[in-house]
Amino acid sequence: SQQGEEDPQALSIQEGENATMNCSYKTSINNLQWYRQNSGRGLVHLILIRSNEREKHSGRLRVTLDTSKKSSSLLITASRAADTASYFCATTPLGNTGKLIFGQGTTLQVKP
Amino acid sequence: SAVISQKPSRDICQRGTSLTIQCQVDSQVTMMFWYRQQPGQSLTLIATANQGSEATYESGFVIDKFPISRPNLTFSTLTVSNMSPEDSSIYLCSVDGLAGGELIDEQFFGPGTRLTVL
Repeated sequence: SQQGEEDPQALSIQEGENATMNCSYKTSINNLQWYRQNSGRGLVHLILIRSNEREKHSGRLRVTLDTSKKSSSLLITASRAADTASYFCATTPLGNTGKLIFGQGTTLQVKP
Repeated sequence: SAVISQKPSRDICQRGTSLTIQCQVDSQVTMMFWYRQQPGQSLTLIATANQGSEATYESGFVIDKFPISRPNLTFSTLTVSNMSPEDSSIYLCSVDGLAGGELIDEQFFGPGTRLTVL
């Protein structure tokens, strides 16, 4: 069963603006990963944050993790039209190896 | 990261038939997984493909409907059996990550197989 919830479900912004997506989960985790999916294609791995980390950066991406609130956020700064995609968070439950539980995803539209 | 390919990339099938999807990785990996993504939905894990033994299925998925093979550490197949329109989905394989020969926590996905059942 899906344990993750993401909000907003859909987000529309102008190019150059920042986009923030949130993810919540229900059980203790080993780590949390963010993925991007363009038009129903395969998933592109963006970033992984471990349960003992609070913040991580990769280029224009910033991910935070609050294990006390069981939530994570993905910030995309200075968005581009090419960032238009669906974004999913996925958690690896504590004690499980490899198994991912996905959130419902956020559809981001960046208008040029 | 490993390069993962899937065949076919898409297919349109008739009700009652079966389709076998292949997943090939360019390096040996420990774990391979199969996921389903129904239209407009998120991903759900179908099973873990175990090399040399039966796959481990998640709740709601059974071997008779989704038989899986994993003959070696770089290849796996998923068969969708006796298909119905409800099986129309994207099917994706994923593998655990390797960096410099070391296992890493990241998991990577193939490009997916888009299946339409009429």
